[in-house]
Amino acid sequence: SQTIHQWPATLVQPVGSPLSLECTVEGTSNPNLYWYRQAAGRGLQLLFYSVGIGQISSEVPQNLSASRPQDRQFILSSKKLLLSDSGFYLCAWSVNGRNTIYFGEGSWLTVV
Amino acid sequence: GDSVTQMEGPVTLSEEAFLTINCTYTATGYPSLFWYVQYPGEGLQLLLKATKADDKGSNKGFEATYRKETTSFHLEKGSVQVSDSAVYFCGGTSYGKLTFGQGTILTVHP
Repeated sequence: SQTIHQWPATLVQPVGSPLSLECTVEGTSNPNLYWYRQAAGRGLQLLFYSVGIGQISSEVPQNLSASRPQDRQFILSSKKLLLSDSGFYLCAWSVNGRNTIYFGEGSWLTVV
Repeated sequence: GDSVTQMEGPVTLSEEAFLTINCTYTATGYPSLFWYVQYPGEGLQLLLKATKADDKGSNKGFEATYRKETTSFHLEKGSVQVSDSAVYFCGGTSYGKLTFGQGTILTVHP
């Protein structure tokens, strides 16, 4: 069966520090991969999605970037965090060509 | 672009009450529609889905019917439990991208 893992689960980072959140999917190949953010008291916002290695689409301009160095690995990064980057980040995947999306456990980021 | 609008919360109910959370969508074409649930401190779990008009998704006593004529996918449950307390997200996919509504916080009291 397919599984998705993301880490770390929780982190507290100072303003201006770098960020790296990692996500891996097991049990499938060539998945579509996604990063969503859920800011406190707000809904879910799609940040990035990828349909293949090295193929990243950004949905909103921001202080973050994403990379897909391997087929089942998706990384969310920032060179310098802002206070507004705080939130709950969710990695997700779907089978290429299918509509159902499955989510990881989420990562809580607090920028102080 | 595609958008999903769901009833704002929070919604507070007593145990065994009837639940309705409204959701409408705007999309080009015919998206698949979903309800996801997020329990406190956890990620999102798929609750139910419908892929075409008049489809009814159901799971754990929850139901939603894909109404093309009203572009709606309202979530219903006949008798809620305390354990149903969570945030519920309506979503629609088009060309592989899932767009969510703002989420509705449901609190069920004993």
